[in-house]
Amino acid sequence: DTEVTQTPKHLVMGMTNKKSLKCEQHMGHRAMYWYKQKAKKPPELMFVYSYEKLSINESVPSRFSPECPNSSLLNLHLHALQPEDSALYLCASSQRLLELNQPQHFGDGTRLSIL
Amino acid sequence: AQKITQTQPGMFVQEKEAVTLDCTYDTSDQSYGLFWYKQPSSGEMIFLIYQGSYDEQNATEGRYSLNFQKARKSANLVISASQLGDSAMYFCAMREWFDITGTASKLTFGTGTRLQVTL
Repeated sequence: DTEVTQTPKHLVMGMTNKKSLKCEQHMGHRAMYWYKQKAKKPPELMFVYSYEKLSINESVPSRFSPECPNSSLLNLHLHALQPEDSALYLCASSQRLLELNQPQHFGDGTRLSIL
Repeated sequence: AQKITQTQPGMFVQEKEAVTLDCTYDTSDQSYGLFWYKQPSSGEMIFLIYQGSYDEQNATEGRYSLNFQKARKSANLVISASQLGDSAMYFCAMREWFDITGTASKLTFGTGTRLQVTL
């Protein structure tokens, strides 16, 4: 079992729907991350939060909207997605953003399919 | 240029044998961290081992060891006594400063190596 919990595990949505992905960790980590992973490809960084503030946005389209309501929780709000957005979405956390020696701990991911 | 290069798309190894997965990296920074992750078909990314750029000793974690050659910019993963459960995708990753301000760090992954352990 991972210490980073992501819900839901699977999500199928239409292009006009609004949905949210949720990520939770209780390890006291202050940096949290969203990644997108297409099949047979490495994860690609989308957003980074440090102490609940957005630190990095890797030029992600505005139809993806991240939110960090508190130090344990990270959401990704989805609206008007395209079929090419179908992917595995991984959440991760690490102790601090500025510590290069700290590993990121990943959740099991949400498999998203856009119809 | 690729930051992290994994030249072996797929590897086969017999159970109980050792296997080396290659990784080379490219950075001009002095401070960076190198990580290996395992991703089974179920999707979760499992942290295996870490090597810091200033570490003089090669990292080891159980059956995993990292062959770190800084001058060659390589960080190969060695798995000893392979088990059927080791069959998975393996990613090498580097954590370095996001930009010159040093106010954030970023983890960049290689393309991965799919390891298949056979009987």
